[in-house]
Amino acid sequence: KNEVEQSPQNLTAQEGEFITINCSYSVGISALHWLQQHPGGGIVSLFMLSSGKKKHGRLIATINIQEKHSSLHITASHPRDSAVYICAVGSGMDSNYQLIWGAGTKLIIKP
Amino acid sequence: NAGVTQTPKFRILKIGQSMTLQCAQDMNHNYMYWYRQDPGMGLKLIYYSVGAGITDKGEVPNGYNVSRSTTEDFPLRLELAAPSQTSVYFCASSRDYHTYEQYFGPGTRLTVT
Repeated sequence: KNEVEQSPQNLTAQEGEFITINCSYSVGISALHWLQQHPGGGIVSLFMLSSGKKKHGRLIATINIQEKHSSLHITASHPRDSAVYICAVGSGMDSNYQLIWGAGTKLIIKP
Repeated sequence: NAGVTQTPKFRILKIGQSMTLQCAQDMNHNYMYWYRQDPGMGLKLIYYSVGAGITDKGEVPNGYNVSRSTTEDFPLRLELAAPSQTSVYFCASSRDYHTYEQYFGPGTRLTVT
């Protein structure tokens, strides 16, 4: 079983829909990252969080440390949101610290 | 600021050939990373560096070498290319390893035939 699992693997939705992408992990973490990989391949960091909730524009990220689960929400989705969304968790301390990457969720928003 | 730059964008190698993937950042970041991304898989860390002169192996270092002679540059060397090294390679940098976001280069798509 992978230490970081994302669901769904693929998601297709209509423009305007509310989108939720989930990330579950099995290790203790110090931080969780959400990143966006554009169709052209570029990777951009969206959020880094260790507790609670963060919001940036139409994007909201939440994390529940007790349940080892995070969600990325997109409100009023738009075709330009089409991308692969990647979850990564930071685990370990000092020289043992590592980022463990999920396989990504491919999102397609249809106009 | 250019951020993180990578060259080349695309490359086709024959089995056994060697090449160096270049990576540079102008943000004065101490930490730099090389990842590979295979289709449908998560990023895998090849090597990382915590500062000039200091490098360490990641999850999948075999077949690769790195050096870090300056803060800005972190080249990745493939000595004897193999088909298993066909992948997209990303270089990234961050101010710190623990709690700071990573900034990624545009990637290099490498095919070994």
